[in-house]
Amino acid sequence: NAGVMQNPRHLVRRRGQEARLRCSPMKGHSHVYWYRQLPEEGLKFMVYLQKENIIDESGMPKERFSAEFPKEGPSILRIQQVVRGDSAAYFCASSPPRGANYGYTFGSGTRLTVV
Amino acid sequence: GESVGLHLPTLSVQEGDNSIINCAYSNSASDYFIWYKQESGKGPQFIIDIRSNMDKRQGQRVTVLLNKTVKHLSLQIAATQPGDSAVYFCAERSHNQGGKLIFGQGTELSVKP
Repeated sequence: NAGVMQNPRHLVRRRGQEARLRCSPMKGHSHVYWYRQLPEEGLKFMVYLQKENIIDESGMPKERFSAEFPKEGPSILRIQQVVRGDSAAYFCASSPPRGANYGYTFGSGTRLTVV
Repeated sequence: GESVGLHLPTLSVQEGDNSIINCAYSNSASDYFIWYKQESGKGPQFIIDIRSNMDKRQGQRVTVLLNKTVKHLSLQIAATQPGDSAVYFCAERSHNQGGKLIFGQGTELSVKP
């Protein structure tokens, strides 16, 4: 039973390009959460999704960032027109359908570097 | 406002000693807490969790204590080993905030052989 899979592990983008980060939840998990971690800091909540629904996007920047979790396929975190300040590690976590009452399993993250 | 913070940013212990990592939270509505371990270049790894209707929970070499009166959470690691060296985060979830976890800043544990 594979864990939460994130790809790519490392992503380098030039300023102004788009970054797409993918997250495949654990088998049987239908809740996905995205977090951002800056160096030497904790994880900051960005967005919580269920299949085809955004449940809570209170941590998402108002512009350039979007997330989706389609009926089929992985969850995608999309950052348009990246800037240097977007450089960070982005982690995805998933939980089962009873998600809110259970722990969360994290992926290994995508390390985004904007040059 | 809400926050989860740690009292000590770094902790250095001798191999074989017990370690205690502390965490303070401010949201009295939080009902579920988790401790994670994060090694360099890796994602957070679940260690142990506790619900607000409990004040203590034990795992293998780890114990979590919850004091709701003072909004304090601690992680105790018995017989600390070099492999325990990592950054430890506490996280809380509030039933009035849906399913998201709020993380503290982290404590770096360094185990000296």
